[in-house]
Amino acid sequence: QKEVEQDPGPLSVPEGAIVSLNCTYSNSAFQYFMWYRQYSRKGPELLMYTYSSGNKEDGRFTAQVDKSSKYISLFIRDSQPSDSATYLCAMTFGNKLVFGAGTILRVKS
Amino acid sequence: GAVVSQHPSWVICKSGTSVKIECRSLDFQATTMFWYRQFPKQSLMLMATSNEGSKATYEQGVEKDKFLINHASLTLSTLTVTSAHPEDSSFYICSARVLAGDEQYFGPGTRLTVT
Repeated sequence: QKEVEQDPGPLSVPEGAIVSLNCTYSNSAFQYFMWYRQYSRKGPELLMYTYSSGNKEDGRFTAQVDKSSKYISLFIRDSQPSDSATYLCAMTFGNKLVFGAGTILRVKS
Repeated sequence: GAVVSQHPSWVICKSGTSVKIECRSLDFQATTMFWYRQFPKQSLMLMATSNEGSKATYEQGVEKDKFLINHASLTLSTLTVTSAHPEDSSFYICSARVLAGDEQYFGPGTRLTVT
């Protein structure tokens, strides 16, 4: 069993839809939780960063962490074709990041 | 803010030669930088952690004599792939951790092709 589980997709949605991306994890020692967006042949871009249970909002993005259930989510409102990318959840363990496999998102216009 | 650059973005080299990749944090200082490797349609694989002024820590299975890492300053780390072979062809990405936090910011990546 992997430490971080993430459905690789692909997830296809129409433009304007609300997108829900999720990760589950097994290690309760993970401290900080991040979401990255990666376009093809580019480095990951940090979207959201949080360390406590609850919601954090930034523009069209909302990150949700439920430490009791070991579950994190990223919601994207009013999705756009430019949101089409791979979304990686990541969690810190000491100095390191542990990544999910990444979910491929395709937003169709 | 929090910009990380990599140079070169793409390099082609002949088998047996060495290639150096630079990673710079442009607008912040980073005591810790990380080097990752990514194969197509796969997630990032951590190769090594480099701390400014000390030796890098390599992940299990990564040859430290093949992948030389130097972290000479708070804004610069380099990865040298020595005696490159076609199986070393990959996408190499660095990241830098902010000094007083846990966020890691990634560079744009370097595509290495060994012929």
